[in-house]
Order: sequence, then structure tokens, then C-alpha cells
Amino acid sequence: AQTVTQSQPEMSVQEAETVTLSCTYDTSESNYYLFWYKQPPSRQMILVIRQEAYKQQNATENRFSVNFQKAAKSFSLKISDSQLGDTAMYFCAFTRPLYSGGSNYKLTFGKGTLLTVNP
Amino acid sequence: EPEVTQTPSHQVTQMGQEVILRCVPISNHLYFYWYRQILGQKVEFLVSFYNNEISEKSEIFDDQFSVERPDGSNFTLKIRSTKLEDSAMYFCASSLVGDAFFGQGTRLTVV
Repeated sequence: AQTVTQSQPEMSVQEAETVTLSCTYDTSESNYYLFWYKQPPSRQMILVIRQEAYKQQNATENRFSVNFQKAAKSFSLKISDSQLGDTAMYFCAFTRPLYSGGSNYKLTFGKGTLLTVNP
Repeated sequence: EPEVTQTPSHQVTQMGQEVILRCVPISNHLYFYWYRQILGQKVEFLVSFYNNEISEKSEIFDDQFSVERPDGSNFTLKIRSTKLEDSAMYFCASSLVGDAFFGQGTRLTVV
């Protein structure tokens, strides 16, 4: 079974600074997808960024980027130029390989990191 | 932009009552899910639905729970006899393949 671990329950950062959230995972699969989801106080789950395990290049979406270390099974999220609207719970999540057959792509989530951006 | 829509946003029910949580997934998506998040805890998988049947369910998804996609549009989660411990945020999600998009959630409070 896959497990996802987020070791930082809470973090804080000053507005405009950079912060990195950590995530490690355990799987016997060689290909898979990893995600970061953001959950603001409204509690909606918003997809921030995805990484395909077979791609060596780290994914980037505007101010959000990941550092994917496959051998170490590490998947950290870097938020640059932090904004007040980035204040949220951030969840790391894993799903099994795409197009591998089967009938669902359920997500396994970590426990989350509560990020507070201070003015 | 297409989105997953859930109703109601908040439901209060008495213990032992039946509740139905409703979802309209993104129209061209193939996979449908329900997740649960107890306040302050992580998001947990309940059930996945594909090709008009349950494809996987977790140990949480016992006989009190059921899902339906009756008309090719709506996707519902029914809890037959609610318990206090069913109080949680329930999220519907849908995906074409791996990228799951979530609804805004239904906060269920069992009193």
C-alpha cells in the first residue's frame, strides 16, 4: 500500500518570501502521479501542481514548483513570492500509474501542512 | 471552466436519519469519487465509481453507504442511518484519468 508523509504540521512565511513544504511517499510502483492540493479556509480542494514520476523535469506552475527526487521518494513544493492568499492547508497526494488499466485513480493523501503567510 | 458542483453545502441531520449528498461531476469525466475529511484530519478515500459500478471502496464504506449515478449526470452518496461519527466534510471528485477535480464539499453535521 502507498503511504504519504508530510512531516511539517505547520509552517509560516513572510509575504514575498519563499517557502518549501516537504512530502515523502512510499510505493513499490515505478510510475505514478504526485500532486499538491491546496485547501484554503473555504475548505475547497484545489489542484496546485502535478508531477509524473517518469518525467525527470520538475513541474512548475507560475509561483509553484516542485523538487521531485524519485530515488529518495521525496516531493517538495516550493512557493515563491508568497502571497496572503497562499495561506491554506497543503496536501501532498499520490495516485497509481496512468493508463495502466484498472478502474480508478484514487488519491492517497498526506496529513497536510498548514501554511500561514504573514504580512 | 468546468467544475464539480456539490449540494447542499451544509446539511444538518439527526442521528439515525438518512442523508443524500449530491454531486454533478465534470461532464466528460469517466471516474467519480467520494472522499471524507473529518475536521482537522486528512482527506480519506471512500469509494470510486467507473463504468456504472463501484470500482473500489475503503473499509470506511460499509453497508450504511451507497452510491448511484442514476441519470448519467448526478452522482450521489447515501448514508442510510447516520451516526455521530459520520460528521465530516464530504468531497465529490471526478477525473478523466489521473487529475482529480474536487467539488466545494458538503459539510455534514449529525446531531
